[in-house]
Amino acid sequence: KQEVTQIPAALSVPEGENLVLNCSFTDSAIYNLQWFRQDPGKGLTSLLLIQSSQREQTSGRLNASLDKSSGRSTLYIAASQPGDSATYLCAVPPGNTGKLIFGQGTTLQVKP
Amino acid sequence: DVKVTQSSRYLVKRTGEKVFLECVQDMDHENMFWYRQDPGLGLRLIYFSYDVKMKEKGDIPEGYSVSREKKERFSLILESASTNQTSMYLCASSWTTVDRLGEQYFGPGTRLTVT
Repeated sequence: KQEVTQIPAALSVPEGENLVLNCSFTDSAIYNLQWFRQDPGKGLTSLLLIQSSQREQTSGRLNASLDKSSGRSTLYIAASQPGDSATYLCAVPPGNTGKLIFGQGTTLQVKP
Repeated sequence: DVKVTQSSRYLVKRTGEKVFLECVQDMDHENMFWYRQDPGLGLRLIYFSYDVKMKEKGDIPEGYSVSREKKERFSLILESASTNQTSMYLCASSWTTVDRLGEQYFGPGTRLTVT
């Protein structure tokens, strides 16, 4: 059964720092991996989707990498800002139905 | 931009009431999903649908049912609301091809309180 783990559960950094969020999964036979952002009391916003054939995806200050063989993905945030404060979740589909298995998330606080 | 909308942001219902949560997407996506999110338990899948009139149970379907009569609309029904169904409910949609799965897009969520 696929399991997704995110470490650390919480992270606090000063503004301007580059940081890496980690996501690991137990079954490497995945179609894709998706990173989301969630602000308190809100829905999830899709940040990046990496297909299984890709190694990385970039969007602005965000870069996500995927290493299927080791069951790992990282989300790199460059030059962090207070507005980046949120919970970041990664998720993988256990098969081709489209449903997702989510990690517990990493709550990021960027201090001014 | 893909848009997934949910009928209510906040809802307060009494125990035993029948509750309807509506979700609409405007991108012609085949797949639609209902999750609930609780502190410490994360996101858990209740039901999903990959086509009109089709439905599949997720991890926690007990106490819930769904309806998908039109491609763009997916409804979650709490047959007899109970206090343990107090939660944040999130709807999502995505596309599928033969060999690829698309991004999953979420609605803003409905915070349901059952008293």
